[in-house]
Formats: sequence, structure tokens, C-alpha cells
Amino acid sequence: SQTIHQWPATLVQPVGSPLSLECTVEGTSNPNLYWYRQAAGRGLQLLFYSVGIGQISSEVPQNLSASRPQDRQFILSSKKLLLSDSGFYLCAWSVPGQTNSPLHFGNGTRLTVT
Amino acid sequence: GENVEQHPSTLSVQEGDSAVIKCTYSDSASNYFPWYKQELGKRPQLIIDIRSNVGEKKDQRIAVTLNKTAKHFSLHITETQPEDSAVYFCAASKNDMRFGAGTRLTVKP
Repeated sequence: SQTIHQWPATLVQPVGSPLSLECTVEGTSNPNLYWYRQAAGRGLQLLFYSVGIGQISSEVPQNLSASRPQDRQFILSSKKLLLSDSGFYLCAWSVPGQTNSPLHFGNGTRLTVT
Repeated sequence: GENVEQHPSTLSVQEGDSAVIKCTYSDSASNYFPWYKQELGKRPQLIIDIRSNVGEKKDQRIAVTLNKTAKHFSLHITETQPEDSAVYFCAASKNDMRFGAGTRLTVKP
């Protein structure tokens, strides 16, 4: 069966510091991969999605970036965090090649920028 | 891109009553419409979904309806229980998945 791992679970970082969140999927090949952000009490904002290695689509221009160095690895990064980057970051995967399949979410990373 | 609107933002019902959450979408090419339940501090979990070639789907106390012409879909929960209390998100998908803003459902015992 497929599993998705996301870490760390919580993170407290000062403004201006770098960020690296990692997500890996097991049990499937070439999954579609996604990063979403959820501000406190708000909805899910799509940040990046990827349909393959090196293929990243960005939805919101900001100081975040994403990379997919391996088939089942998706990394969210920032060179300098802003206070507004605080939130709950969720990685998700879906079945490749299918636009009508559900997203399966990781447990999320709660990021607090101080 | 796709825009999904969800109403109401909060909903409070008595245990045993029904709850209805409505969503509209903008892109007529969207073909997949899932609903997720998110409990406090946890990840969203899929509870039911519907594809564009189906008008209605039911799973025990939960049902979803889709009106492609009007571009809206709804979640119906019958015989609500306190454990149904959570935030519910609708979504619409073509190439990527866009979510509504969420509905906080509270079921009072």
C-alpha cells in the first residue's frame, strides 16, 4: 500500500531563516505531488504541484520554492522566511495520469515563524 | 484557473438533524469533485467523491449531488452525530485540485 511521510511535524523558525520541508511517498511510482498551505482557520492554498521529476508548477508567486530531486521526493524550501509564511503545510500525492483521483495527504508540518 | 466557492463558512446543527454544504466551481472542464473532512490539527481525509459522469452518490449517512449545468455540488449529512463535528472542504479538479474555503460544522448533542 502507499504511504506518505512528511517531516518535521512542527517547526519554529525566526524571520529571515531558511526552510526545508521534505515529503516522500512509498508504494507507487511517478505520483503527482502537491504542496498546500493552510493558514490558521483557513482553507487549503495550492502552492506547487509536480507531475514528474524536475516538473514543478507554481501557483502563487512568493518566497517559497519546490524541488523534486527524485521520483517520490518533494521538497519545499525558502531562503528567507517571512512572518506570513506561518501555517500548516501539507504534502499530498495522487495517482499519476489521472485527473479524477483523490489526494492523499501527509500529516502536515506546523510552521511558526517568529 | 479554477475557483471554488463554499457556503456556509460555519454551520451548527442539533444531533440527529441534517447538514448541507454547497459549493460552486467556475471551470466547466473540472471532472472530479471530492469532499474532505479535517479534524482539528489533523490532515484532511477523503469522505466521499463524485465524478462528472454521475449526478449523485451515497455512502451511508453521506451523500453528494452534482449539477454540471449549474456548476454546483453539495454534501448532505443525515442523522448527524457529535463526531461529525469538523471542518469540511469541497474541491474541484481538472489538472490540479482546488479547494473551497471550508465549512466548520458543529453538531450539538
